[in-house]
Amino acid sequence: DIQMTQSPSSLSASVGDRVTIACRASQGIGSYLAWYQQKPGKVPKLLIYAASTLQSGVPPRFSGSGFGTDFTLTISSLQPEDVATYYCQKYNSVPPWTFGQGTKVEIK
Amino acid sequence: EVQLVESGGGLVQPGRSLKLSCAASGFTFDDYAMHWVRQAPGKGLEWVSGISWNSGIIDYADSVKGRFTFSRDNAKNSLYLQMNSLRTEDTALYYCVKVRQQLVFVGAFDIWGQGTMVTVSS
Repeated sequence: DIQMTQSPSSLSASVGDRVTIACRASQGIGSYLAWYQQKPGKVPKLLIYAASTLQSGVPPRFSGSGFGTDFTLTISSLQPEDVATYYCQKYNSVPPWTFGQGTKVEIK
Repeated sequence: EVQLVESGGGLVQPGRSLKLSCAASGFTFDDYAMHWVRQAPGKGLEWVSGISWNSGIIDYADSVKGRFTFSRDNAKNSLYLQMNSLRTEDTALYYCVKVRQQLVFVGAFDIWGQGTMVTVSS
């Protein structure tokens, strides 16, 4: 099975900071990668699909990049409402459709 | 409004069965594959099972294969997850999720239900 590894597991940053979260696949998955945001006590929300396409309604401060095995989610200017856990997920044709372990983002 | 509403969760003893349901509305249900994702308390997300729009493809995580059965009734816009031989490690919030793209088995999950909690304990 392909493993998805996120780093860091948690981070603390100031409002306005640029935040980057990495996701690495153990084998190449092309662009078949999504990012989700889960705020405390809430349902996960799709942010980005196809590695870099912003889901409708998601603020443009969020962006994604990468291909193959290495991907990043960037928040260009961290806002208080961005406090959440972020998950990557691979969805290429080979099951299982594994999620990363999550990255918890907090405000410093 | 696109909506997924899960039901059927509860407290069950190890080894027993439970059947979850998910009612869909607000979209052309039989054009989309659907999946279940679960989240154990305080833990991350785990893909459980998926079913294609016409039930032609059904797949399961190794952790539930042989114990869980996923089905759908397109006439009723509904999904069902029959869970047998439940284990304590199946304790989780179970989310019903919709694939973003039409007529593909898997993709990004764009709509999530609120989840239904399953607790397996003696």
